[in-house]
Amino acid sequence: DQQVKQNSPSLSVQEGRISILNCDYTNSMFDYFLWYKKYPAEGPTFLISISSIKDKNEDGRFTVFLNKSAKHLSLHIVPSQPGDSAVYFCAASKERAGTASKLTFGTGTRLQVTL
Amino acid sequence: EAQVTQNPRYLITVTGKKLTVTCSQNMNHEYMSWYRQDPGLGLRQIYYSMNVEVTDKGDVPEGYKVSRKEKRNFPLILESPSPNQTSLYFCASGVLGSNEQFFGPGTRLTVL
Repeated sequence: DQQVKQNSPSLSVQEGRISILNCDYTNSMFDYFLWYKKYPAEGPTFLISISSIKDKNEDGRFTVFLNKSAKHLSLHIVPSQPGDSAVYFCAASKERAGTASKLTFGTGTRLQVTL
Repeated sequence: EAQVTQNPRYLITVTGKKLTVTCSQNMNHEYMSWYRQDPGLGLRQIYYSMNVEVTDKGDVPEGYKVSRKEKRNFPLILESPSPNQTSLYFCASGVLGSNEQFFGPGTRLTVL
């Protein structure tokens, strides 16, 4: 039972344009959401997070939006750069305080930013 | 350099031969965790530890053991590996109260 779903396995975007990566979840107990980025042969690295009490969090070129009623979140990257090409994982936690003790990850979306 | 290290990075073994994958972090983090990554399934948590001598099951703990005798180390033990444990394994660490987890580079395990 996949509680966190990333329905698009891959996405291709031109450099300079916006990349939008989507994530849906089914468990209403999830209270904190995170995005991780993973390059080949490396471990995932934390990118940005959002608490369920917010609907938007921005960090430079990265913005995460949360629609709690729809159980949907998205990651926007503007403008997209070739170095953003990676696999992006959405993750959810039931702990609001961000202890991240038990994270449930999605299946990942491979983003390719083309020149 | 602050990092999480895993050893070995690659391992091919046979069914039933006990093995240990080591994980060590030099950031004095309380929290450590093990994940496995499989195609189409993303990362799934195996076990985690909130501090020394405190461990708990993640979503897929069957067939695995862990121990946390020292703060910096969190080894993953497969007592009797089976082919369905062929996977890419990641260790992670973090500070309690922070959402950020730092991941190791991964260990690719093949069980024949």
